[in-house]
Amino acid sequence: DTGVSQDPRHKITKRGQNVTFRCDPISEHNRLYWYRQTLGQGPEFLTYFQNEAQLEKSRLLSDRFSAERPKGSFSTLEIQRTEQGDSAMYLCASSQGLVYEQYFGPGTRLTVT
Amino acid sequence: EDQVTQSPEALRLQEGESSSLNCSYTVSGLRGLFWYRQDPGKGPEFLFTLYSAGEEKEKERLKATLTKKESFLHITAPKPEDSATYLCAVVDNFNKFYFGSGTKLNVKP
Repeated sequence: DTGVSQDPRHKITKRGQNVTFRCDPISEHNRLYWYRQTLGQGPEFLTYFQNEAQLEKSRLLSDRFSAERPKGSFSTLEIQRTEQGDSAMYLCASSQGLVYEQYFGPGTRLTVT
Repeated sequence: EDQVTQSPEALRLQEGESSSLNCSYTVSGLRGLFWYRQDPGKGPEFLFTLYSAGEEKEKERLKATLTKKESFLHITAPKPEDSATYLCAVVDNFNKFYFGSGTKLNVKP
């Protein structure tokens, strides 16, 4: 297992377009988290899944954001009608059971022009 | 509201000059405190988990300690390769994680 992977690594899109990011967690990890990170700030929690169930969503996650984790494996994060303020690094992390250590992927850097 | 504050925002050290980074927190029901290292353009890399006051963890030149209100990351005789941003995070009773803004460490040879 090579760790958490994310695709794409970089995405440039025009304002108003929809974008979708994918995260593949470490295979035995049942928890998956999405974060957003802007320059000079720490990651901000967006949402997390335990298996396929989405258990918590931040109020930062507006109606334009949706996340899924079908079958409790990979996850997708979709942003509809992107805005310039959505430009950030989107990070995915996974952890196993009651162990809280999270292992992060390399992130997807989104630029909205 | 749950909150994590890290200080200083930036720290410049000479190689071999030991120092400490601070992470203070307010959280409803601390389940764990974590330290991560983040290099530019990369995801955070896990370093330590601390669960209760008085706990200490060590790894090479790094040592993390925890009290009821704060955590310290001590760096002993740092090397240039220790240059990175160090992030602190806590998890609360609702399994939500809160990160600080990080301390950007620069170690000069």
